[in-house]
Amino acid sequence: RKEVEQDPGPFNVPEGATVAFNCTYSNSASQSFFWYRQDCRKEPKLLMSVYSSGNEDGRFTAQLNRASQYISLLIRDSKLSDSATYLCVVTFSGGYNKLIFGAGTRLAVHP
Amino acid sequence: GAGVSQSPRYKVAKRGQDVALRCDPISGHVSLFWYQQALGQGPEFLTYFQNEAQLDKSGLPSDRFFAERPEGSVSTLKIQRTQQEDSAVYLCASSLAPGTGGNEQFFGPGTRLTVL
Repeated sequence: RKEVEQDPGPFNVPEGATVAFNCTYSNSASQSFFWYRQDCRKEPKLLMSVYSSGNEDGRFTAQLNRASQYISLLIRDSKLSDSATYLCVVTFSGGYNKLIFGAGTRLAVHP
Repeated sequence: GAGVSQSPRYKVAKRGQDVALRCDPISGHVSLFWYQQALGQGPEFLTYFQNEAQLDKSGLPSDRFFAERPEGSVSTLKIQRTQQEDSAVYLCASSLAPGTGGNEQFFGPGTRLTVL
């Protein structure tokens, strides 16, 4: 079983839609949690960190449930520019902050 | 300021050939990571340097893979006797401080290696 698992996707949604991505992680010692965005043939870039209290950045809301080892990302009012692969990422204590990535979920927003 | 740079951006190698991939981290960044990203997958950790010390090489797939960072800045990932399964994008990332949770890693554009 992979350490970080995500919805396989792809998600094809119209502009303006709300879309939710889910992610589960297997290591209960996981320490930090992130969503990264990766455009086609580009490097991953940090979208947002994820906190137990939940956090919001504009149209993006991230949630963490440590008890269920579950992370989510909600995108409201989707834009064409949101089309990308969204990577769920964790680190764990004692791991030198190395990032453990999920396989990613591809989002395609169409007009 | 300049971000993380990697060279070459693309490399085509014949099976059995040795290759060397270079990473220039952001100036002053203590931590440097190498990741391997196969097609359709997320990046997978290969190795970690804190300055010149290689503190974690648990992700290197075989003894054909070797990484160094002799002066604590530029790093080279070397793959000997390349195999087709080595075809992937090799990503380098650096961060300012060692080992602390939440410290953002900045990625380079990657080197796309194709082994024929």
